[in-house]
Amino acid sequence: SQQGEEDPQALSIQEGENATMNCSYKTSINNLQWYRQNSGRGLVHLILIRSNEREKHSGRLRVTLDTSKNSSSLLITASRAADTASYFCATDAGYSTLTFGKGTMLLVSP
Amino acid sequence: GAGVSQTPSNKVTEKGKYVELRCDPISGHTALYWYRQSLGQGPEFLIYFQGTGAADDSGLPNDRFFAVRPEGSVSTLKIQRTERGDSAVYLCASSVTAGGGYTFGSGTRLTVV
Repeated sequence: SQQGEEDPQALSIQEGENATMNCSYKTSINNLQWYRQNSGRGLVHLILIRSNEREKHSGRLRVTLDTSKNSSSLLITASRAADTASYFCATDAGYSTLTFGKGTMLLVSP
Repeated sequence: GAGVSQTPSNKVTEKGKYVELRCDPISGHTALYWYRQSLGQGPEFLIYFQGTGAADDSGLPNDRFFAVRPEGSVSTLKIQRTERGDSAVYLCASSVTAGGGYTFGSGTRLTVV
């Protein structure tokens, strides 16, 4: 079963614009992570935010976490064509394994 | 190695055959995970190893699926009597310890015909 649900399912923007993806989850978590996947193969870890954190930054990425609403958002600023990929949120509910959502497909056009 | 290595990258097999998929994790990573991903879906958990032992195999869909990690490094996912529904990308990941970020391999695309 999939704990997280990303929204929107697909997002199309122009280079230079910001992209925001949202994730909602069902149960309490230890941490939430975001991953990127190109061409349906290996996923790349982007950022981890713990349940006691509200916001985290890494380069052009900004992640927020609202545990009162069981939701997280990933913001990519000043997007580039190379950011085109699928983005997944994944939750760690304390069982030492991650549960992934279905992902958001991001298309950044030059 | 520098990353997680999975072999083969692609495997086509006939329905009913047996297949083995190999994962070579990052050296020193004690935690190893297998996931399966179908088209348009997120990865679904299969099994998690901590060292040599399977700490959680609750994601294995049925008894045709089995995985081992005999020396605490390389792992093999074994599928008996393959079915067309087993077709998917099988992803392996490792982490230094459980609860941190995962490093994924590039996956094995299994096609059962």
